[in-house]
Amino acid sequence: GAVVSQHPSWVICKSGTSVKIECRSLDFQATTMFWYRQFPKQSLMLMATSNEGSKATYEQGVEKDKFLINHASLTLSTLTVTSAHPEDSSFYICSARDLGYTQYFGPGTRLTVL
Amino acid sequence: AQSVSQHNHHVILSEAASLELGCNYSYGGTVNLFWYVQYPGQHLQLLLKYFSGDPLVKGIKGFEAEFIKSKFSFNLRKPSVQWSDTAEYFCAVIFTGGGNKLTFGTGTQLKVEL
Repeated sequence: GAVVSQHPSWVICKSGTSVKIECRSLDFQATTMFWYRQFPKQSLMLMATSNEGSKATYEQGVEKDKFLINHASLTLSTLTVTSAHPEDSSFYICSARDLGYTQYFGPGTRLTVL
Repeated sequence: AQSVSQHNHHVILSEAASLELGCNYSYGGTVNLFWYVQYPGQHLQLLLKYFSGDPLVKGIKGFEAEFIKSKFSFNLRKPSVQWSDTAEYFCAVIFTGGGNKLTFGTGTQLKVEL
């Protein structure tokens, strides 16, 4: 099946610093990728839709200046959490959509902000 | 607003028991339907999907789901569960005309006991 990778798998950073998370579709091209947050024992919350070569579309309530998304190629999207604060600590998951509109999910990145 | 409901939040079964997890959505238009599974410590994996055609869909690992349009339902079934099926199961729906985004249910935690 289609494989999506994320890097890093976990990261610890100090408050006020920025963290970049990469999402790659390894064996297919994805014009659209998605970024989610997952809180403990809860479902996934869509943060933004990332379209290759264009600006991301953010969900209501998600700060676009805080969560910078870049979809520079058909296999790579990045999420940068800028000026991170402890409340940004979460599990961030990306997914990539194939041409058949099926989404495949990455393993997630655990972010802890001290 | 369009939504996805999973009424069973926690299910405990013995091995060999039959499984049915409910999924309902609120939307009268065309939908694409998915079930994802998240095994402990692992990422979301696609179990099965329905776009059109035969409303009874067979997926991996012996799972199947039936789309009943009149009931706005897409219940997941397995005739005989195994201990290794212990996981969290998410129903997800793409509501056409809604930006082609996945909307997730809240998930059902399944525990299979030996």
